[in-house]
Amino acid sequence: GNSVTQMEGPVTLSEEAFLTINCTYTATGYPSLFWYVQYPGEGLQLLLKATKADDKGSNKGFEATYRKETTSFHLEKGSVQVSDSAVYFCALIPSGGSYIPTFGRGTSLIVHP
Amino acid sequence: GAGVSQSPSNKVTEKGKDVELRCDPISGHTALYWYRQRLGQGLEFLIYFQGNSAPDKSGLPSDRFSAERTGESVSTLTIQRTQQEDSAVYLCASSFQRNTIYFGEGSWLTVV
Repeated sequence: GNSVTQMEGPVTLSEEAFLTINCTYTATGYPSLFWYVQYPGEGLQLLLKATKADDKGSNKGFEATYRKETTSFHLEKGSVQVSDSAVYFCALIPSGGSYIPTFGRGTSLIVHP
Repeated sequence: GAGVSQSPSNKVTEKGKDVELRCDPISGHTALYWYRQRLGQGLEFLIYFQGNSAPDKSGLPSDRFSAERTGESVSTLTIQRTQQEDSAVYLCASSFQRNTIYFGEGSWLTVV
């Protein structure tokens, strides 16, 4: 079956540090890949997505590149802010079979001033 | 509507009572999903609707949980005889076919 594996959290950084949150997936075919962000007490919001190999999704200074060869979709940001503190979920939607998205377990990011 | 709408946003109920949680998907979205998220945990898939049929009910944790959907519109998740372990936020999401799924703000359920 499909699966998404994210690095364990929490990730703790100082403001303006570089962020990487690793995400790898297992799926047949060419799934679409997503990063969602959940701020405290809120639902999940779409952060960025990529629908085919080598696509780069970007939003609010965050980026992730769809790497088919390594089945990865790592999230990066060059300079984090305190307001980026949240839980980040990597997800895939399969290209065939079930429509059900598969989510990673989430990675908590804490940014200190 | 503009986004996925869920109600109630917060519900406190006594153990043993039934609760109904409602989800209004984005207009035109054919797929609708229910997830459960316990405090500090990831997403637990409950059920998925394509139109008003539910091809996959495998995530419903027990027969106390049921869900229905009217056409390609509103869905209701019902929990009968609530237990304390049902306390969680229940997230609804919708999508058009295999495109991006959009989440509501969730219904926060506390069973006391």
